[in-house]
Amino acid sequence: AQSVTQPDIHITVSEGASLELRCNYSYGATPYLFWYVQSPGQGLQLLLKYFSGDTLVQGIKGFEAEFKRSQSSFNLRKPSVHWSDAAEYFCAVGQYNNNDMRFGAGTRLTVKP
Amino acid sequence: AAGVIQSPRHLIKEKRETATLKCYPIPRHDTVYWYQQGPGQDPQFLISFYEKMQSDKGSIPDRFSAQQFSDYHSELNMSSLELGDSALYFCASSSRLAGGYNEQFFGPGTRLTVL
Repeated sequence: AQSVTQPDIHITVSEGASLELRCNYSYGATPYLFWYVQSPGQGLQLLLKYFSGDTLVQGIKGFEAEFKRSQSSFNLRKPSVHWSDAAEYFCAVGQYNNNDMRFGAGTRLTVKP
Repeated sequence: AAGVIQSPRHLIKEKRETATLKCYPIPRHDTVYWYQQGPGQDPQFLISFYEKMQSDKGSIPDRFSAQQFSDYHSELNMSSLELGDSALYFCASSSRLAGGYNEQFFGPGTRLTVL
């Protein structure tokens, strides 16, 4: 079965600094990869997704992620973080014709002024 | 564009009571999924339905049951509620008719608090 690991439980960055959130997956075939953002008490908002093709994926709010098959990684990046980016970020993996989407444990992002 | 609708958005119940959560999928979506997200936890898959039939089962407690109706909306019924059932419950929907990967679109969630 597929699984997702987010090694960093909590990350703090200064506003304007760059950001990289790590995500590693375990799955035998080509995975379908997602990044979601969740503000406290709110729902899941899809930032970006990778199904196939170009391994560098652009998302909303200035986020991007790169799929690296050799490293089984799908790290999320943003060049310059804004205070409004403070939230919980979840990496998720799905597989074709399987209903069970697996989420990572999440990374909480704190943005310092 | 229409999104997944969940009702109610917030629900407060006492221990041992029952609760019913409703999910209205995106129009023309045929598959519904339920997830439970405890405080500080990642969403955990509970159960899914395709064309009104249960298609997959995750970590859903025996006290919970769910079904999908002819109009494709789904209800999650929770009985003998426990304090540990307090969580955010997400519904998602997808369309197999669209072909390819069944991308799931998430609703805003129902926050259940058990006192």
